[in-house]
Amino acid sequence: GAVVSQHPSWVICKSGTSVKIECRSLDFQATTMFWYRQFPKQSLMLMATSNEGSKATYEQGVEKDKFLINHASLTLSTLTVTSAHPEDSSFYICSARDRARGVTEAFFGQGTRLTVV
Amino acid sequence: AQSVTQLGSHVSVSEGALVLLRCNYSSSVPPYLFWYVQYPNQGLQLLLKYTSAATLVKGINGFEAEFKKSETSFHLTKPSAHMSDAAEYFCAVSDHNQGGKLIFGQGTELSVKP
Repeated sequence: GAVVSQHPSWVICKSGTSVKIECRSLDFQATTMFWYRQFPKQSLMLMATSNEGSKATYEQGVEKDKFLINHASLTLSTLTVTSAHPEDSSFYICSARDRARGVTEAFFGQGTRLTVV
Repeated sequence: AQSVTQLGSHVSVSEGALVLLRCNYSSSVPPYLFWYVQYPNQGLQLLLKYTSAATLVKGINGFEAEFKKSETSFHLTKPSAHMSDAAEYFCAVSDHNQGGKLIFGQGTELSVKP
């Protein structure tokens, strides 16, 4: 149980285009999902907290107009990188909290490797 | 505010040797603490967690960690390293005052020599 599926696992896009990454909780309801960014050999940096049915809360320094987050259902959150540029190339990871388990645990997707050329 | 510090960005051990990965935390409230493992180009897998129950926590793959409030530490250990343990390990604290978001340490890369 508690599986989070992230799609795609990798994507290459041209500079200036937009890319959408999906994060799905397959066997539980996730009222809260988190989006992280990870640079090579570095830790995870929280970008935003996504709550079902409401606007995402972005961390300081994260451009909300560039990284659009939508959490339209209890099992799906999406991150859209708009007008992507090479500096947006990174590993993006989502996690979801099972509403039935409270705040004690979050389950992670397998990550998406984004390369902007 | 909460924070996590992992001492040592890289640890190398021989197969069969003790694994010790260090983690210290700072928290103004009783913390929830976690250890995750990450293999290349993959997400994070939970090894174990401390949520104010037993201070010695046993996790998967033979790992365990002990919560020591007096030392504000949550070090990860495994008695005997296996080649498959080579990976990146992250310690994290949950800010349950802010919806349970995780604050991660810098990570420790574990290498296991044959």
